[in-house]
Amino acid sequence: QQPVQSPQAVILREGEDAVINCSSSKALYSVHWYRQKHGEAPVFLMILLKGGEQKGHDKISASFNEKKQQSSLYLTASQLSYSGTYFCGTEPPGGTSYGKLTFGQGTILTVHP
Amino acid sequence: DGGITQSPKYLFRKEGQNVTLSCEQNLNHDAMYWYRQDPGQGLRLIYYSQIVNDFQKGDIAEGYSVSREKKESFPLTVTSAQKNPTAFYLCASSNRETQYFGPGTRLLVL
Repeated sequence: QQPVQSPQAVILREGEDAVINCSSSKALYSVHWYRQKHGEAPVFLMILLKGGEQKGHDKISASFNEKKQQSSLYLTASQLSYSGTYFCGTEPPGGTSYGKLTFGQGTILTVHP
Repeated sequence: DGGITQSPKYLFRKEGQNVTLSCEQNLNHDAMYWYRQDPGQGLRLIYYSQIVNDFQKGDIAEGYSVSREKKESFPLTVTSAQKNPTAFYLCASSNRETQYFGPGTRLLVL
């Protein structure tokens, strides 16, 4: 079943922060985050494998709460280059041997000067 | 350079015509995937393949067909049975950790 992302869209001014959530009705093994610019391929940001794990990547970080079956992506001090659609992809418990993911519907992030 | 290539970038289909989208990877990944993306929509899985000469239907396989004769290649055919083929098609491959995407093919109907 498809994970649910919230919000569907967010508009920011440069320097502001945002949080994007990804929730599943099923238990999760891992959560993967991607960003897609319009008309381009999704680009891999990070993977969270363990419950409670947090990862950081520049000013973009994420957490994974295994018990709540959800992950959050944190964008701090947003830059114009952060604009795009953010997708989470999830794997069920036990993972898969070949990386098959189920993707959320996406969150559109727009950063204005 | 390792990566995933898709061709063509744009493809026009006439009604009743079958068209084939190419996807090649040199990452030595076993698994490959095809997704369809419609405006404002997420990624919907069409077909996937874990290994050469084997593939499985995804969530929206009707009107599509695939083959996996080589590890590097996973072409997608959009058949005339697919009545609404206009979309952005993305190919991906994965190692045991995550998926990596090609640049996509935009299919338009004349």
